Amino acid sequence: DGGITQSPKYLFRKEGQNVTLSCEQNLNHDAMYWYRQDPGQGLRLIYYSQIVNDFQKGDIAEGYSVSREKKESFPLTVTSAQKNPTAFYLCASRPQGGTPAVALHFGNGTRLTVT
Amino acid sequence: AQTVTQSQPEMSVQEAETVTLSCTYDTSESDYYLFWYKQPPSRQMILVIRQEAYKQQNATENRFSVNFQKAAKSFSLKISDSQLGDAAMYFCAYRSAGNSGSRLTFGEGTQLTVNP
Repeated sequence: DGGITQSPKYLFRKEGQNVTLSCEQNLNHDAMYWYRQDPGQGLRLIYYSQIVNDFQKGDIAEGYSVSREKKESFPLTVTSAQKNPTAFYLCASRPQGGTPAVALHFGNGTRLTVT
Repeated sequence: AQTVTQSQPEMSVQEAETVTLSCTYDTSESDYYLFWYKQPPSRQMILVIRQEAYKQQNATENRFSVNFQKAAKSFSLKISDSQLGDAAMYFCAYRSAGNSGSRLTFGEGTQLTVNP
């Protein structure tokens, strides 16, 4: 079955360390997204990529970085510059050629805790 | 920039009853799409229903229906015959139909509890 795999499900890091969250999809989707979820704030867009080797900042990109070297993969690095990194992170994808009516497909998320 | 507001952080409903979740949005665009997503305790985001702004007819998916009021910029979700499995966080989302249409803007979410 096609889908989006985020690993690991839970991640713990010490403050000051960079950490990379994995997102892999086998849906052959062109566009991929990273969202951050905090209680009471919904989902906020961090970065998105509509094609390989290209990506754009979302609404809260500071302290994060991404790469898109392969169509299937869109890893997110949470750097030490992110002041409040503890959160639930969701990766999503959709076909780029689809109409705006096409919904996002989501992974199961990674819960990052930084202490 | 578009904004989406869900004014009900929490709602509860008795099993088999009907509940309506509210969503309002702010946009200057005339063509866009609206979505409701469900996030159960597993935290997997699941599409519930979608509405195209240029369609006047309200979307319906089995027990789920929307009340889309374009002039009022309102997009509420009605769940009929509520089931225990409907308990989840529900998010309303907006997408422009223009060039930046790939971005999805979410509301804050409404936590729905279904009481047996």
